[in-house]
Amino acid sequence: GAVVSQHPSRVICKSGTSVKIECRSLDFQATTMFWYRQFPKQSLMLMATSNEGSKATYEQGVEKDKFLINHASLTLSTLTVTSAHPEDSSFYICSARGPDASTDTQYFGPGTRLTVL
Amino acid sequence: GNSVTQMEGPVTLSEEAFLTINCTYTATGYPSLFWYVQYPGEGLQLLLKATKADDKGSNKGFEATYRKETTSFHLEKGSVQVSDSAVYFCALSVTGRRALTFGSGTRLQVQP
Repeated sequence: GAVVSQHPSRVICKSGTSVKIECRSLDFQATTMFWYRQFPKQSLMLMATSNEGSKATYEQGVEKDKFLINHASLTLSTLTVTSAHPEDSSFYICSARGPDASTDTQYFGPGTRLTVL
Repeated sequence: GNSVTQMEGPVTLSEEAFLTINCTYTATGYPSLFWYVQYPGEGLQLLLKATKADDKGSNKGFEATYRKETTSFHLEKGSVQVSDSAVYFCALSVTGRRALTFGSGTRLQVQP
C-alpha cells in the first residue's frame, strides 16, 4: 500500500512551452502533497506544499507563477512548469503523507526528469 | 534553519563488508530523523526512522541511532549485499512543518 505515481517519467520540451507533471496517490487519500526538485548530485529541495482544495504554499525563492500547482482531488496534484527554460531542467519529485496522519512518513513518486531544449 | 549533512559518495564496498554512512543535522526543536533509500529507477522509500533521542530505527539489517548529544543519525549495516546498492538519503522533519529536509544523498555500490 501507500504507492505514489508520477507521469510522465521523462519529458523533453522546447524552450517557452509549458509542461504538466501529475502526481497520484494510488491507494490512499492525501490531503497534503509535496513537490521537490533535485539537481544532479544534490539534495532534494522543497518547492511547495500542495493542499487539497486550497492554494499551494511555496518556499522562498520559488516563483508561484512559473510553477503552478493544483491539488484538485485527494489523490491528484499537478505541477505545471510554465514557459519553461533550460534552467528549469531538473528532476522533479512529489511525495504524499501516508494514510496514517499520526506519522511523519512520506511516500515518494519515482520522479520526472524534465529537459528543456 | 534546518539542515542535514551526510558523507559524500560514492561508497564502494565488497559484499559482506560493514557499512557506515554518516549523517549529522542542525534543527530547531526536536526533529524526527529518517533514512530513505532510492534504488535505480525507483522512487525514494522509507528505510527507517527515529522520533526521539536514543531511539534506534532498524529495518532490513540497517540500523541508525538518534544521538542528540552529537546531533547525528549514522546509518550502519553489518554485512552489505549487492542488492543494497542504491542512493541513501538522510532527512529530518520538525514538528509543525511536515516537509522533509534532505541531505545530499550517498551512493553505495556493493561489489560481489
